[in-house]
Parts: sequence; C-alpha cells; structure tokens
Amino acid sequence: DIQLTQSPSFLSASVGDRVTITCRASQGISSYLAWYQQKPGKAPKLLIYAASTLQSGVPSRFSGSGSGTEFTLTITSLQPEDFATYYCQQLNSYPFTFGPGTKVDIK
Amino acid sequence: EVQLLESGGGLVQPGGSLRLSCAASGFTFSNYAMSWARQAPGKGLEWVSLISGGGLSTYYADSVKGRFTISRDNSKNTLYLQMSSLRADDTAVYYCARSVWGGHGMDVWGQGTTVTVSS
Repeated sequence: DIQLTQSPSFLSASVGDRVTITCRASQGISSYLAWYQQKPGKAPKLLIYAASTLQSGVPSRFSGSGSGTEFTLTITSLQPEDFATYYCQQLNSYPFTFGPGTKVDIK
Repeated sequence: EVQLLESGGGLVQPGGSLRLSCAASGFTFSNYAMSWARQAPGKGLEWVSLISGGGLSTYYADSVKGRFTISRDNSKNTLYLQMSSLRADDTAVYYCARSVWGGHGMDVWGQGTTVTVSS
C-alpha cells in the first residue's frame, strides 16, 4: 500500500500569511493526488485534484503542485475561513490512502 | 442540486452487523463510481471502499476487507455498505462520496452517519 506523510502536522498562521503544506508518497504516484479541506463537524471538501487542478468554485488563492512523490498545497493570503485541517489523498492505486492531515490554526 | 444523504448508522455490539445507505440525487448516479470513507473520533480520514458505476468492480481498504461489502442499486440511486464482524475500531463517522474516475478525487460528500461499536 502507498503511504502518505504530511508536514507539518500543525501550523499556526495569521490572516494574510502564505502557507505551504507538503505531502510525500512512499512511492511514485504520478499526478494522482487530491487535496481536501475539512472543518470541525463537517464533511471534507475537495480543493484540488490531479495534483494541480483547482476544483470548480475553489478560490484561486489555493494552488497545488508536484508529481511523483512530493506535492505541495499553497494558500496565498490566508483568509479567516481557511483555518481548517487539510488532507492529501493518493488515487494512483488501491487502497486510496489519505495523509494524516495538517491542522492550520490561528496564530 | 447534487446531494448525498447517508443513513443507517447507530450503536451496535462488537461482532454485530449494520448496513449503511447513501441516497444520491441531482446527478446521473450510474455514471459515477462511489466511495465510502470514515473518520474515527478525533482522528484523520480513512478511505474504506469504492465501487464502479456499473457495480462490477469493488475495492477495499485492508482494514475492512472480508468484513465489509460495498454495493449499489442504480435503479434506486442508492449506495450501500454492509458491515459485519464489527469491532470497536470501526467506530467512526462514515461518509459516502462521489468519485470521479481517473483519479480526480471525491468531489461530492454526504454529511456522514455515525457508527458506534460498543457493548
């Protein structure tokens, strides 16, 4: 099975900050990676798929990059509604594993 | 409006069984693969299972293989998860989600249904 790690596990940031989250896969997954945002008590929301394609309706301050084993999610100019937990997920091979998550908190 | 609505969660004893349902609306259900994911209290997301649009192909996480069965009834626009031999570590919120083929992720999610396995 493909394992995903995320770094950092937790980050404290301020409104307006640029935030970068890294997701690493235990083996190459081409560009078969998605990013999700989850707020407490809510279902996850798809932000990015195919490593860098923005899901319809997602603000352009979110962007994704990478291929192979290393991927990044970047949020430029963090907004109050962006404080949440972010997960990556590989869709290269079954089982479709999620990363452990990165919680973005208010500094 | 595209919508998924899970039901069937509840309290079940260890070793017991439960069937979850997910009613879909607002899109052509049979055109999409569908997935289940879960989240244990205070923990991260865990992908559980996926079924193809026609129902012929199914895939499972190692943690549920042999105990859970995913199925669908395209005439009723409904997805199912039959869970048996339930254990305490199956306690979680279970989400159904529409899955876009070709690795495009899970783009529509239900609100979740809670399963608690306890004596």
